[in-house]
Amino acid sequence: DAGITQSPRHKVTETGTPVTLRCHQTENHRYMYWYRQDPGHGLRLIHYSYGVKDTDKGEVSDGYSVSRSKTEDFLLTLESATSSQTSVYFCAITKDRPGYNSPLHFGNGTRLTVT
Amino acid sequence: KQEVTQIPAALSVPEGENLVLNCSFTDSAIYNLQWFRQDPGKGLTSLLLIQSSQREQTSGRLNASLDKSSGRSTLYIAASQPGDSATYLCAVLNTGNQFYFGTGTSLTVIP
Repeated sequence: DAGITQSPRHKVTETGTPVTLRCHQTENHRYMYWYRQDPGHGLRLIHYSYGVKDTDKGEVSDGYSVSRSKTEDFLLTLESATSSQTSVYFCAITKDRPGYNSPLHFGNGTRLTVT
Repeated sequence: KQEVTQIPAALSVPEGENLVLNCSFTDSAIYNLQWFRQDPGKGLTSLLLIQSSQREQTSGRLNASLDKSSGRSTLYIAASQPGDSATYLCAVLNTGNQFYFGTGTSLTVIP
């Protein structure tokens, strides 16, 4: 299994509070991704990073920000959590640029509940 | 926008049966297609990746095929076992370098 650790694994927070989720990888992969998984929607891309300090928005980026100050760490921040952000959040990595026979590998997810 | 569909949403089979899971996508301009397995409360585990120039990939009892022109992929599982019970997802990588996921097929293999 790819060395991807997400923390925390579970979090309950109140509406309006800031939340930061962490993804740590030991594979030295260049690309890192944050997805959310909701029933009936599949996985949807929030943000991704193609290098240190290089990030871009995905399909559902509103309300989220990211930072990558080191190759191994990719942080997802909810500046002011809302109930619609209750979800399971997955971090994923690819070794190379997508399309170069570089499969996605996933962490075990963070279950976030916003009350 | 790419749409990925997996039908059926759930499937139940007796142990030992061979089975086929389906994945269809609307935009044939893809780089590759990947099949994953997800166990409850876990992340996704990569099973097979098929490049757009390939027709199939095999790993053990699993065989994935790709027909890019018709927008279809199948995952064939031979001699199913209870340990194969999980949700199976497919994802396509568009030429825009974004992965699009289906909502999965939940498989139950009955002993």
